[in-house]
Amino acid sequence: GAVVSQHPSRVICKSGTSVKIECRSLDFQATTMFWYRQFPKQSLMLMATSNEGSKATYEQGVEKDKFLINHASLTLSTLTVTSAHPEDSSFYICSALPGTASVHEQYFGPGTRLTVT
Amino acid sequence: KQEVTQIPAALSVPEGENLVLNCSFTDSAIYNLQWFRQDPGKGLTSLLLIQSSQREQTSGRLNASLDKSSGRSTLYIAASQPGDSATYLCAVKGYSTLTFGKGTMLLVSP
Repeated sequence: GAVVSQHPSRVICKSGTSVKIECRSLDFQATTMFWYRQFPKQSLMLMATSNEGSKATYEQGVEKDKFLINHASLTLSTLTVTSAHPEDSSFYICSALPGTASVHEQYFGPGTRLTVT
Repeated sequence: KQEVTQIPAALSVPEGENLVLNCSFTDSAIYNLQWFRQDPGKGLTSLLLIQSSQREQTSGRLNASLDKSSGRSTLYIAASQPGDSATYLCAVKGYSTLTFGKGTMLLVSP
């Protein structure tokens, strides 16, 4: 099956610093990648959709200047949380849609636990 | 805007019981519906994916059905085991987005 990796799996940073999370599709090319956020005991909420080589589309209420998304290649997307604050502490999960997909199935990474102190 | 509702929010059963988790969605214009499992602090494990043209999918002790016209899906778990304890998420794939329900937290006691 298609594999999506995320790095790091867990990160702790101080308030005011920036953190970059990588999402890679290991055995397929992903024209579209998605970033989700999950707060404790809540479901996944879509933050943004990124297509390779173009600007990401952010969901309402998600600050694009705070959550920088770069989808520079067909196998890599990055999410940078800039000037992180404790309220940004959450579980961030990426997902990738194969470019050849005919079944519209998204594959999910294992998630990154961000803690901002 | 698609809304996905899962009932019940939590379920506690003794080992061996058969159980049904419910998922409903408001917009029937979907590509597929997917059931996931999530263990505490972990990512998602895909269990079953049902295409919009299909009515059910089976994998081992799991069976998922889809009634697109009524906006409903059920996940049936046969002979539940303590290892089935987790949160089960239903997600519906529309034209551009995958919308998740809030999940059903399942606890199977020995």
